[in-house]
Amino acid sequence: GGIITQTPKFLIGQEGQKLTLKCQQNFNHDTMYWYRQDSGKGLRLIYYSITENDLQKGDLSEGYDASREKKSSFSLTVTSAQKNEMAVFLCASRTGGSQNTLYFGAGTRLSVL
Amino acid sequence: GQGVEQPDNLMSVEGTFARVNCTYSTSGFNGLSWYQQREGHAPVFLSYVVLDGLKDSGHFSTFLSRSNGYSYLLLTELQIKDSASYLCAVSLPNYNVLYFGSGTKLTVEP
Repeated sequence: GGIITQTPKFLIGQEGQKLTLKCQQNFNHDTMYWYRQDSGKGLRLIYYSITENDLQKGDLSEGYDASREKKSSFSLTVTSAQKNEMAVFLCASRTGGSQNTLYFGAGTRLSVL
Repeated sequence: GQGVEQPDNLMSVEGTFARVNCTYSTSGFNGLSWYQQREGHAPVFLSYVVLDGLKDSGHFSTFLSRSNGYSYLLLTELQIKDSASYLCAVSLPNYNVLYFGSGTKLTVEP
């Protein structure tokens, strides 16, 4: 079996700070995702990537950058952290073909002071 | 925009059943997935449906009606450990994009 590893697990930042979240997968999946989950809300897509060096914007891409330099890794940057922001950022990768099974990492919990 | 709606909360009793509803309105449809998410943990895949009707997978069954934009996840013989949030997600035709509902928090009481 494979695993998705997200680092760090907890991230505390300051308002205006640039913050980077990392994700590694060893499933050898092509497609990877970054979702944001706020309390009481569903998962909202920030960015996804269908292969190395590919980037596709989701509905929530404003305020974020992403990078897919290797097939196994996908990083997300919060370009300017917003005061009092609290959310969980979930990374996922997808099996190939039409079966849409996503495997998720444990998440990075962000708090901005 | 894409809409995937779920009720916020659902309560049921151990040993009985629970039906978690999901309605959707999206620009295209290629399938619907259900995920279980325990408090503080990542979502875990349960089921994927493409065709109308009931798909029986034992403890979990899923129903889909594409013409009505409706699906449900049916959990039978509930156990306390089934208490979790259940998320539905609709896949668009390019397969790559999934839109998630906000999740239904199921509480199973003794």
